[in-house]
Amino acid sequence: GENVEQHPSTLSVQEGDSAVIKCTYSDSASNYFPWYKQELGKGPQLIIDIRSNVGEKKDQRIAVTLNKTAKHFSLHITETQPEDSAVYFCAASQTGANNLFFGTGTRLTVIP
Amino acid sequence: EAGVAQSPRYKIIEKRQSVAFWCNPISGHATLYWYQQILGQGPKLLIQFQNNGVVDDSQLPKDRFSAERLKGVDSTLKIQPAKLEDSAVYLCASSAIQVLTGYTFGSGTRLTVV
Repeated sequence: GENVEQHPSTLSVQEGDSAVIKCTYSDSASNYFPWYKQELGKGPQLIIDIRSNVGEKKDQRIAVTLNKTAKHFSLHITETQPEDSAVYFCAASQTGANNLFFGTGTRLTVIP
Repeated sequence: EAGVAQSPRYKIIEKRQSVAFWCNPISGHATLYWYQQILGQGPKLLIQFQNNGVVDDSQLPKDRFSAERLKGVDSTLKIQPAKLEDSAVYLCASSAIQVLTGYTFGSGTRLTVV
């Protein structure tokens, strides 16, 4: 089955700086890669996703890059704000399989 | 649109007791998932329904866990008897057709087994 590894497990940045979270996956058949943000006491919330036919996707301060050859993808958050503090999860899936395989999470702390 | 509703939010039980969780997905979402999230880990799929049929329950500990989705809408997840290692947050999610549209998760039920 798919195995998703995520690094780092914790990340602290100063407000306004950038944050980068990296994930690798094992199954070359995976072609859908979402990122979720989980705040305390809440369920994960989809913040951005990317499909295998695209190398990069941006949404305001958030961007995701995908390298299918190397089987890794990354989340980039620019101009971080205190409200970005949360646990972020990457995930991978195959078209039609529907179930997501999650990474172990990254706790991001943005220091004001 | 209303989100995925789950209840209860919290539950504390003793080991060997039984417990049930309820989920109401987003209206019209055919696919429903139950995930288990142990503290400090990512969610792991327990079972996936498409309408009222089971698509994947390969990771469900069937000796103690059961789930149903009657009429293809609401779903219940039951644990009987509970073990200490079942302490976790149980998340329900739904999606419209395929995962390519992304899931919507509920807030989860935090279960503590003592």
